[in-house]
Amino acid sequence: EQQVQQSPASLVLQEAENAELQCSFSIFTNQVQWFYQRPGGRLVSLLYNPSGTKQSGRLTSTTVIKERRSSLHISSSQITDSGTYLCAMGLSGSFNKLTFGAGTRLAVCP
Amino acid sequence: DPKIIQKPKYLVAVTGSEKILICEQYLGHNAMYWYRQSAKKPLEFMFSYSYQKLMDNQTASSRFQPQSSKKNHLDLQITALKPDDSATYFCASSQEEDRENERLFFGHGTKLSVL
Repeated sequence: EQQVQQSPASLVLQEAENAELQCSFSIFTNQVQWFYQRPGGRLVSLLYNPSGTKQSGRLTSTTVIKERRSSLHISSSQITDSGTYLCAMGLSGSFNKLTFGAGTRLAVCP
Repeated sequence: DPKIIQKPKYLVAVTGSEKILICEQYLGHNAMYWYRQSAKKPLEFMFSYSYQKLMDNQTASSRFQPQSSKKNHLDLQITALKPDDSATYFCASSQEEDRENERLFFGHGTKLSVL
């Protein structure tokens, strides 16, 4: 069974601190996506990053395929970054049949 | 201005009843999906449709039946509801179903509570 493990499960930061979120996969995958979810809200796609390093604003994702892992770095955190960050993997031929991790709950405090 | 509309946002049902969850997308996408998120499990894939045809079904129970009356509609009919069906059901879409570099767009979800 395909599994996605995320760590840490929760994280509390002071505003302006950086965060590093980790994701590991039970199998090799050629699609990795990171999503953001507010409590009770919709999911927003943050980054699509099947390999290497991708950046979007204050977010940087690094995926190492041979090590079956991906990370999401949030720099200069803001209170509005609070929420749950989910990573998901897909497989060739079923790119959008995603398997999600349980998420990292991030709380950014003033 | 949401481009993927799910109705209703909240739904309460009694055990044994039947409900239909509505999803419409106005992104011009050709692929639509249903995902489920419960308190006990991570978000999990249920169905994928491409050009109104079922591509993948990961739901063991036949009580869950997707219905696509139009290209931009993918409703979910759930029969003989059980308390374990309580979850938030997310509809999603992408331009294509089987192409790389596709980003998935999600609706706000329908939170179903079965009493």
